[in-house]
Amino acid sequence: NAGVTQTPKFRVLKTGQSMTLLCAQDMNHEYMYWYRQDPGMGLRLIHYSVGEGTTAKGEVPDGYNVSRLKKQNFLLGLESAAPSQTSVYFCASRSTTGTLNTEAFFGQGTRLTVV
Amino acid sequence: DAKTTQPPSMDCAEGRAANLPCNHSTISGNEYVYWYRQIHSQGPQYIIHGLKNNETNEMASLIITEDRKSSTLILPHATLRDTAVYYCIVRAGGSQGNLIFGKGTKLSVKP
Repeated sequence: NAGVTQTPKFRVLKTGQSMTLLCAQDMNHEYMYWYRQDPGMGLRLIHYSVGEGTTAKGEVPDGYNVSRLKKQNFLLGLESAAPSQTSVYFCASRSTTGTLNTEAFFGQGTRLTVV
Repeated sequence: DAKTTQPPSMDCAEGRAANLPCNHSTISGNEYVYWYRQIHSQGPQYIIHGLKNNETNEMASLIITEDRKSSTLILPHATLRDTAVYYCIVRAGGSQGNLIFGKGTKLSVKP
């Protein structure tokens, strides 16, 4: 199993450009999450999804949109990138079956720089 | 979700036990204590979690006080590869609750 895969791993954008970050998981997990991590900080939750076709806002949702059209994929979009969105983005997924208190699995991150 | 307080940094000698404390005085009855770690800039990695009983797995032990207001993660024989940022998180059990990260504790294991 690949687990959680993020695409791309690195990207440089110009201010105002748009892009989509893709997160794919092959574990049939219901929950998926997008976080951002700035230098010296912990991870902050941007958006999350509790199932296919549903999304919800996290702590820092402004400037981002998400979609969960397929259970295995969670897309994070930046419509008009700003330098403040320079960060490392992490995707995670979690099952809600079994013990119901399961661990989250994280991808390896996407390093985004907006110039 | 309840908030947690951790020391910003700790040192530990290689081969010794590393004891990482966490305060979660506002934890509620259905909230679990989770520990994750982040090595360098990789994605966080799950370590262990518990509700009220002490827990042990192949990576670590988790000691939760009887009043559940604090806990300690124990790495019994720290190695250089355990150098990482360790996050203590409380989250409601079941399908509820998201993982909300604080700044964690930077553990440096020294030779």
